[in-house]
This record gives sequence, structure tokens and C-alpha cells, in this order.
Amino acid sequence: SYVLTQPPSVSVAPGKTARITCGGNNIGTKSVHWYQQKPGQAPVLVIYYDNDRPSGIPERFSGSNSGNTATLTISRVEAGDEADYYCQVWDRSSDHLVFGGGTKLTVL
Amino acid sequence: EVQLLESGGDLIQPGGSLRLSCAASGFTLTSYAMSWVRLAPGKGLEWVSAISGSDDSTYYADSVKGRFTISRDNSKNTLYLQMNSLRAEDTAIYYCAKFTWTQLNYFDYWGQGTLVTVSP
Repeated sequence: SYVLTQPPSVSVAPGKTARITCGGNNIGTKSVHWYQQKPGQAPVLVIYYDNDRPSGIPERFSGSNSGNTATLTISRVEAGDEADYYCQVWDRSSDHLVFGGGTKLTVL
Repeated sequence: EVQLLESGGDLIQPGGSLRLSCAASGFTLTSYAMSWVRLAPGKGLEWVSAISGSDDSTYYADSVKGRFTISRDNSKNTLYLQMNSLRAEDTAIYYCAKFTWTQLNYFDYWGQGTLVTVSP
């Protein structure tokens, strides 16, 4: 089955840029979606279809997808961005929805 | 306003059965694809099951196939997850999530979750 690989953790200082990667075989041919989950809360969609933002999500959040890597970029990181982030695709070959393992973003 | 309210989580012994419910409001359940996703302690999100919004086709993760069944009652606007032959590794918070339409693409709304604990 299709596998998405994320780094377990990323650390960044406030005001800097955080980049969270999501690796998968030819992931550039799939639509990638990203969720933010804070402790004790339900996940929240932050990016859909590679680089679209839902209403209410700051412009600081952006995405890209090419080749074997999709990337979530958070500019001008704030303390409130500290959370777990997950990438997600629907794998048509197996008819399975797949999440990456998740990345814990720490704001130093 | 779209709302998803899960219920039915409990402490259950290994081998037991449980049915989770997800009451939907603010939209008509039958028109949308829906899913269950779980978060086990210390682990990441894991997709469990989905039901399409067009023809009610069902899909299951390999870890639950043959043990769990997803269904919905359109008259009650409620989604269900019947869980049989429960194992310790099924212990998790179970979330109900809504796809954006009939397609199986991404989730625009999530419930707050219900806790299932499988332990002797």
C-alpha cells in the first residue's frame, strides 16, 4: 500500500519559516492535503489540493507538491502554530486513504 | 452550521463489540462521503473506514477489514461504525469526518471524537 513519510519533528524560532515535508512515490501525481492537530483537539484542514487554503487559514500557510515530495510551508511562525501536522492522500490504486506519520512542530 | 457529534465510546474487553454513532447536523448526510479516523495513544492519525456519497460503496483499512462495518441511517442523519472482535490495538479516539462532497478527497469537518478503550 501507499506510504507517506514525514519527519517526526521540526523545530523553528518564532518569525522564521518552517517547512514540513511529506515523501511518497510519485506523490506529485496525487492531490495532497494537510491537517493541523493541537493536543486534545480535532484536526483542522490547513491546505487542500496541494496549495489551496480554506477560509480562515492565514496566508502564512502554503503548500507545494512535485516529484516525490510535498511540502507544507509556514512563514513567520507563531507560538500558536505549535502542533502536529499530517499530510494525506487518497490512493486510488488501493482505494485507501493514507495519512503521513505526522510531524510535531515545536516553536522554540 | 455543520456539526458532527460522536458517541458510543467505552471501556470494552478484548473480543467484544461496540457501535459508534456520529450524529450530523447542518447538512444532509446522504449527499456526502463520510469517514472514521482514529488516533491511538502516542501514535498518529490512522484512517479506519469510508463510505462514498454516490453509491454507498464502503472502504476499510487493512487493520480493521472483516471486523468493522461502516453504515449510515439517512432518516436519522447518523453515521455508524460497528466494531467487532476488538483488540487492544484498537484503543484510540475515534473521529467522524466529512468529505467535501461525494468524492473521497479530503475532510472539511471533523467531530470532537469518542474514546474507545480495549482492555481486560
